[in-house]
Amino acid sequence: GEDVEQSLFLSVREGDSSVINCTYTDSSSTYLYWYKQEPGAGLQLLTYIFSNMDMKQDQRLTVLLNKKDKHLSLRIADTQTGDSAIYFCAESIVTNDMRFGAGTRLTVKP
Amino acid sequence: KAGVTQTPRYLIKTRGQQVTLSCSPISGHRSVSWYQQTPGQGLQFLFEYFSETQRNKGNFPGRFSGRQFSNSRSEMNVSTLELGDSALYLCASSSGTNEKLFFGSGTQLSVL
Repeated sequence: GEDVEQSLFLSVREGDSSVINCTYTDSSSTYLYWYKQEPGAGLQLLTYIFSNMDMKQDQRLTVLLNKKDKHLSLRIADTQTGDSAIYFCAESIVTNDMRFGAGTRLTVKP
Repeated sequence: KAGVTQTPRYLIKTRGQQVTLSCSPISGHRSVSWYQQTPGQGLQFLFEYFSETQRNKGNFPGRFSGRQFSNSRSEMNVSTLELGDSALYLCASSSGTNEKLFFGSGTQLSVL
């Protein structure tokens, strides 16, 4: 099984908030990341959080980290159709060998 | 500042051939990592180069190799191609260890 787990699909209405969840297994993870991938494109770094932080906010994005439960979430406020994409959660420990989840496909309906 | 550039964007090869993919990192970045993305296996780490040395390697067969040049540009080579090597190959650069990775748009390899 994968070390990083995410649900595969999420569908929301335009203007609503989206919450994408992720669990990871390595308590030694130092950085946790959220990447966005649109069709035919590479991965775009959205945001990241250090393992000693609980929360990070960046405009419409809010990342919450619960180290005890090894749970990471990404909240997108006022979701727009342009937010439709696949969102990957990733962890890294001490190297650039990052472990990715399978990705959550977010569909935003008008 | 230019992003990570990968060439070519698309490649079609036949089984048994070999292929070389190229990656130019963000200026000033010395670390280049390679990932394979497939629908079945997701994103898997291939290897990482830093200052022309392979620093870390994933669980791929020896047919997959790479190198990094003094200007930090990197190439990845796959020999004796198999159908299962069809994938999107992504390159990422960073300024150092355990720093944010910035990805290129990838090279889509199709093996027929």
